Amino acid sequence: ELKVEQNPLFLSMQEGKNYTIYCNYSTTSDRLYWYRQDPGKSLESLFVLLSNGAVKQEGRLMASLDTKARLSTLHITAAVHDLSATYFCAVWIYGQNFVFGPGTRLSVLP
Amino acid sequence: EAGVAQSPRYKIIEKRQSVAFWCNPISGHATLYWYQQILGQGPKLLIQFQNNGVVDDSQLPKDRFSAERLKGVDSTLKIQPAKLEDSAVYLCASSFDSWLAEQYFGPGTRLTVT
Repeated sequence: ELKVEQNPLFLSMQEGKNYTIYCNYSTTSDRLYWYRQDPGKSLESLFVLLSNGAVKQEGRLMASLDTKARLSTLHITAAVHDLSATYFCAVWIYGQNFVFGPGTRLSVLP
Repeated sequence: EAGVAQSPRYKIIEKRQSVAFWCNPISGHATLYWYQQILGQGPKLLIQFQNNGVVDDSQLPKDRFSAERLKGVDSTLKIQPAKLEDSAVYLCASSFDSWLAEQYFGPGTRLTVT
């Protein structure tokens, strides 16, 4: 059974700082997704990573995928308050479909 | 482009009652997903449709949950009878295809079972 873990589960950081959220999974996959969810809101797609070594960047967020290590990272550069949200990674495995991680709740403090 | 529409947004029912949720995906999106998100957890896939056929319903509690997408467009998810542990947000998502599968989520229906 596919397991998806995220680390940390809770993250409080100051504006202007850098940090990385980790997503690791238990079964080989080359498709990984990152989503953002604001409190009381639905999920917003951030990144789709489809191959080993894939790297995508949007604003202050950069995501990468290492399929050999079964690890994806979401790097935050110079955090701002607007980035406060819960971030989910999700892995697609043929025959098991999508499995979401537990989420990382990020708070960016002024 | 209109997003994924869901209704109702909120529903409160008593246990053992039945409830139905409706979803209208983005126009042209062949793949539709229903998720259950319990407070504080990540979404759990209940069922995936490709057009009007079921691709995966392995995590759908079939003794009480049912879903259909008769014309390959909008979809309904039903719970009958509801249990307390069904209290959650039910999210509908759609994607243009099932390979890239970049999903666009609706606002969700928050169900409270008392």
